[in-house]
Amino acid sequence: EPEVTQTPSHQVTQMGQEVILRCVPISNHLYFYWYRQILGQKVEFLVSFYNNEISEKSEIFDDQFSVERPDGSNFTLKIRSTKLEDSAMYFCASSEAPGTSLAYFGAGTRLSVL
Amino acid sequence: AQSVSQHNHHVILSEAASLELGCNYSYGGTVNLFWYVQYPGQHLQLLLKYFSGDPLVKGIKGFEAEFIKSKFSFNLRKPSVQWSDTAEYFCAVGFYTGTASKLTFGTGTRLQVTL
Repeated sequence: EPEVTQTPSHQVTQMGQEVILRCVPISNHLYFYWYRQILGQKVEFLVSFYNNEISEKSEIFDDQFSVERPDGSNFTLKIRSTKLEDSAMYFCASSEAPGTSLAYFGAGTRLSVL
Repeated sequence: AQSVSQHNHHVILSEAASLELGCNYSYGGTVNLFWYVQYPGQHLQLLLKYFSGDPLVKGIKGFEAEFIKSKFSFNLRKPSVQWSDTAEYFCAVGFYTGTASKLTFGTGTRLQVTL
């Protein structure tokens, strides 16, 4: 079964540092997403990406966040200057199409900001 | 804004007991409905989904869910739980915003099955 791959599985960083979380979506998928889950809270939508641009973003996705598809396979989430409250599990997802298309989720990257 | 409510935060059941986890959403338009499961240390996995048709949907591992449109509900059920069902369960509602699919998740229900 195809799967979305995320690396690293756990990232530890110091407050104020930049981090890049990487994702390899399913190869024929065109829509990409980042979600996050703060410990004990619900999964929250961050951003969706299609055709090399952001199609929708949430209030959480401020100027500290950016996304990029640097090549044909990777999809990255960059946090420019991490804060303690950025500590969470970050999930990448991809789907073949919007609407009724199913989104497949990766295993997540645990980000710990110290 | 769309919202999803899961009323049970932590459920403890003995093996072989029946399970029903509640999920309600607020959105007047067409929705896609999902239940995801997250086993300890693992990623979110799809249990079942509803897009249209028969409102009673069957998923993997003996789970099923019923979409009741008039109640804006999509409750998850299993007649007899197993210890291996211990996990966190998330209800999610999919909306098409015009440019992309967006899933809104509930806060999750932690299910603990005891032997």
